[in-house]
Amino acid sequence: DTAVSQTPKYLVTQMGNDKSIKCEQNLGHDTMYWYKQDSKKFLKIMFSYNNKELIINETVPNRFSPKSPDKAHLNLHINSLELGDSAVYFCASRLQWGGNSPLHFGNGTRLTVT
Amino acid sequence: SQQGEEDPQALSIQEGENATMNCSYKTSINNLQWYRQNSGRGLVHLILIRSNEREKHSGRLRVTLDTSKKSSSLLITASRAADTASYFCATSGNQGGKLIFGQGTELSVKP
Repeated sequence: DTAVSQTPKYLVTQMGNDKSIKCEQNLGHDTMYWYKQDSKKFLKIMFSYNNKELIINETVPNRFSPKSPDKAHLNLHINSLELGDSAVYFCASRLQWGGNSPLHFGNGTRLTVT
Repeated sequence: SQQGEEDPQALSIQEGENATMNCSYKTSINNLQWYRQNSGRGLVHLILIRSNEREKHSGRLRVTLDTSKKSSSLLITASRAADTASYFCATSGNQGGKLIFGQGTELSVKP
């Protein structure tokens, strides 16, 4: 069973479109994250939710809107896509906020904006 | 910024050799974690070392932490071709839940 699953795996779209990426974890974790990995493999934290509550919002343009309908899901909606949004987006979950628990990552969604 | 830096950025070795990767960070930490990323996949947790620990082992992995120098190293002994991947350190500061990743080291192990 996949612990953290993201859909879709690949997303190719044109500038100006709106798209969503979905993430689900079946680990019973309280905390979920979105990270963006650029072409140089640099991983930047975007958002974090703990028990459906937004904890981290890292100076991300407000075209990006996360939504957590329940603890097991954290979706990412992106409006008015730009070329610079092209990257791999990773969802991750963690047992709890803080402490010494590791992150569990999904396999990423490769977004290409043309 | 708490962000870590890793060196080298790329490392190429022969199977059987040891690989050492280094990570430096800027602020005080709660713990430091190492992750591996295979091409086209998500990151996988390898090992965690708490701020009050100096060394930790897990199989062929050995991690050291020097909080006075704000640095950590990951040693992979007797490397295998399957160890080929990118390796990242991540630090958790006093806020606890925010994990910041370094730039990563790309390791290539040639058979």
